Amino acid sequence: AQTVTQSQPEMSVQEAETVTLSCTYDTSESNYYLFWYKQPPSRQMILVIRQEAYKQQNATENRFSVNFQKAAKSFSLKISDSQLGDTAMYFCAFISDQTGANNLFFGTGTRLTVIP
Amino acid sequence: DGGITQSPKYLFRKEGQNVTLSCEQNLNHDAMYWYRQDPGQGLRLIYYSHIVNDFQKGDIAEGYSVSREKKESFPLTVTSAQKNPTAFYLCASSIDLRGYYNEQFFGPGTRLTVL
Repeated sequence: AQTVTQSQPEMSVQEAETVTLSCTYDTSESNYYLFWYKQPPSRQMILVIRQEAYKQQNATENRFSVNFQKAAKSFSLKISDSQLGDTAMYFCAFISDQTGANNLFFGTGTRLTVIP
Repeated sequence: DGGITQSPKYLFRKEGQNVTLSCEQNLNHDAMYWYRQDPGQGLRLIYYSHIVNDFQKGDIAEGYSVSREKKESFPLTVTSAQKNPTAFYLCASSIDLRGYYNEQFFGPGTRLTVL
């Protein structure tokens, strides 16, 4: 069974600084996808960034980047130049194209607070 | 604008009553999903559907039922058999290309409270 673990329930960062959120996962499958979702106070889930397991290059989206370590099954999110609008819950998620269900497995989330 | 709508935003139910949560999408997606979110936990899959008139149980389907009579609609009924229904419910949809990555788009959610 797939599991996703986020070991940091809460984190804070000063505005304009950099913060890294951790995520580890467990799977026996060789091809899969990993995601970071953001859930602001409005509770709308927003996709931040995605990584395909067969790609060695780490994904980057503007101020957001990941450190994907496939052998270690680690998928951390780095937010650079933190902004007040980054305050939200962040969920790491996993999906496999081999399970047939195409459903996401989520971690328990990290609550990030950006301090002015 | 294309997107997913869920209604109502807040819903209150008395114990022993069934209640139905609405989910509609105009993205022309084949697949739709229902997730439940509890404090301190990630989202958990209740039901999913890849095509009209077909749906499958997710990890926590007990006490819930769904229907998929139209491509655009995937209502979720929380029955009286669900022992702890108070939670935040999220609906999502995606295109359905098997074997490929399919991004899921989420609705704004419904907060259900049992009184």
